[in-house]
Amino acid sequence: GESVGLHLPTLSVQEGDNSIINCAYSNSASDYFIWYKQESGKGPQFIIDIRSNMDKRQGQRVTVLLNKTVKHLSLQIAATQPGDSAVYFCAEKVGGGADGLTFGKGTHLIIQP
Amino acid sequence: SAVISQKPSRDICQRGTSLTIQCQVDSQVTMMFWYRQQPGQSLTLIATANQGSEATYESGFVIDKFPISRPNLTFSTLTVSNMSPEDSSIYLCSAARGAEAFFGQGTRLTVV
Repeated sequence: GESVGLHLPTLSVQEGDNSIINCAYSNSASDYFIWYKQESGKGPQFIIDIRSNMDKRQGQRVTVLLNKTVKHLSLQIAATQPGDSAVYFCAEKVGGGADGLTFGKGTHLIIQP
Repeated sequence: SAVISQKPSRDICQRGTSLTIQCQVDSQVTMMFWYRQQPGQSLTLIATANQGSEATYESGFVIDKFPISRPNLTFSTLTVSNMSPEDSSIYLCSAARGAEAFFGQGTRLTVV
């Protein structure tokens, strides 16, 4: 089936810098996208979501950008902190809630002191 | 958000045996799902746990291997049957309220 993928498996940034994690999706019918953060030994934690009728959404220190033309999703984390070190997954689904999520491969974000 | 508790958090099991994982949500939710996360990899949807009816399985997963129950709106179980080392993985329960989905901490299963 169609899948969601990531460009970079590992990303290392200096503490205080901004980071950008990218994700490509292939299902043009997907209309809801979520970014999750997973720390070692824990389940995925919801960060931010975006629907297909939007191209940008901002949260606290995080921004998600959606480009439906090229089926690309990105997560921007501003002023990174040591606690941001984790694996980040994008996920997508079609429809409002009845279906499960299709996850991308994941990017391991490492914050260097 | 919803708080999701899974039991056990980890287990080491002998091949050929079965393990049942429990998932309890602190409030009623519309949908519950089970995912598998193999070491160093992403999450793969196993099935949707339907209340009062048979679970809906994704391609590559079958009921005989992964029987699922969902007796009410806050509880579900996943059984990993006749285990082999290839079943060593993290199994995660998820609950959805509307479009937003939440996850338990996962059950780390090692089959020896």
